[in-house]
Amino acid sequence: AQSVTQPDIHITVSEGASLELRCNYSYGATPYLFWYVQSPGQGLQLLLKYFSGDTLVQGIKGFEAEFKRSQSSFNLRKPSVHWSDAAEYFCAVGAPNTDKLIFGTGTRLQVFP
Amino acid sequence: DVKVTQSSRYLVKRTGEKVFLECVQDMDHENMFWYRQDPGLGLRLIYFSYDVKMKEKGDIPEGYSVSREKKERFSLILESASTNQTSMYLCASTISGASSYNEQFFGPGTRLTVL
Repeated sequence: AQSVTQPDIHITVSEGASLELRCNYSYGATPYLFWYVQSPGQGLQLLLKYFSGDTLVQGIKGFEAEFKRSQSSFNLRKPSVHWSDAAEYFCAVGAPNTDKLIFGTGTRLQVFP
Repeated sequence: DVKVTQSSRYLVKRTGEKVFLECVQDMDHENMFWYRQDPGLGLRLIYFSYDVKMKEKGDIPEGYSVSREKKERFSLILESASTNQTSMYLCASTISGASSYNEQFFGPGTRLTVL
């Protein structure tokens, strides 16, 4: 069965600092991988997704993620964080030819000025 | 833009009440989902529907039922609300096909408190 682990519950960074949020998945083959963001009081919004091909994926709001098969990881990165990036971030995995996504437990990002 | 709306942002109900949470999407999506979101547990799938009058259980369907009479509307029903159903409920929709491939569009959520 698929599973997703986000080992960091809460991360605090200063505005302008770089960011990396970790995501590890468990699946027998290459799954579909997603990062979603949930700003306070809002639903989730897709940041980026990976299906195949180039392992470095660019998303919205200046985010990128790198798929590393050998480490079963799909970490989210941003070179310079803005105060508006404060939110909760969810990694999700989907198996091909299924209808469901499995979400991680989320990482809450706090940004200090 | 895809829009997914949920009937209430905040709801307070008493134990034993029957509760209806409504979700409407305006993009003609075939697939619709109900999740609950709890701190430290992330999002967990309650039910989903891939067509009108069709439904499938997700990972935590106990205590819930759903109804999809029209393509754009997907309702979550708590037959007899209990305090352990206090949570944030999120609705999502996506176009047809294997949904795990497609982006899910989420509503803003309904925060339900059961007293």
